[in-house]
Amino acid sequence: DVQLVESGGGLVQPGGSLRLSCAVSGFPFSDHHMDWFRQAPGKGLEWIGRSRNKALSHTTQYAASVKGRFTVSRGESENSLYLQMNSLKTEDTATYFCARDGSVGPTSKFDFWGQGTLVTVSS
Amino acid sequence: AIQMTQSPSSLSASVGDRVTITCRASQDIRSDLGWYQQKPGRAPKLLIYAASTLQSGVPSRFSGAGSGTDFTLTISSLQPEDSATYYCLQDDNYPLTFGGGTKVEIK
Repeated sequence: DVQLVESGGGLVQPGGSLRLSCAVSGFPFSDHHMDWFRQAPGKGLEWIGRSRNKALSHTTQYAASVKGRFTVSRGESENSLYLQMNSLKTEDTATYFCARDGSVGPTSKFDFWGQGTLVTVSS
Repeated sequence: AIQMTQSPSSLSASVGDRVTITCRASQDIRSDLGWYQQKPGRAPKLLIYAASTLQSGVPSRFSGAGSGTDFTLTISSLQPEDSATYYCLQDDNYPLTFGGGTKVEIK
């Protein structure tokens, strides 16, 4: 079965750093694009970044709100996706989700999601 | 960034009703749109991708239509378990962007 399990959330002070992990199983990790999303408390969903598959050299894309502060990476041997978050702001407080892009075509479909991990940025 | 305008923001309907949610893109996104259902405290669930393709395992009462800038998600016969918030997501251009969500309540 496909599984995505996030970890690493918690309370951090403004300006601090945190690294989230998304451990995946049940599918060939290197074949799939993987994305991070977030949802602030009581708000809608926001896409924040992508790691493309191995065939596309794991290139990345970011939302403007996190570009230069957040880095998406992956560890193929660990079957894990990472989100390194630096210079955190109070507005980064959210539940963070990783998701698999299950598409083999030009359009995406986020068919499997992790359960989410809460990041709280507060002094 | 492409703006996705979703309407209505909320609706209340009875079991068995036909429900339609609309998303309008600020520019042509071809058919690069998905619909997601989210229940409180849960991760989103994929319903429809490529504007009109039903994800495996999703009940056939859900359907999607549209291309270009105007898209709809229809629930043909609303069921109690459909109480949730629904989001559209365009994946034609980075950054990927969501509609604001539609909260569906059962009367």
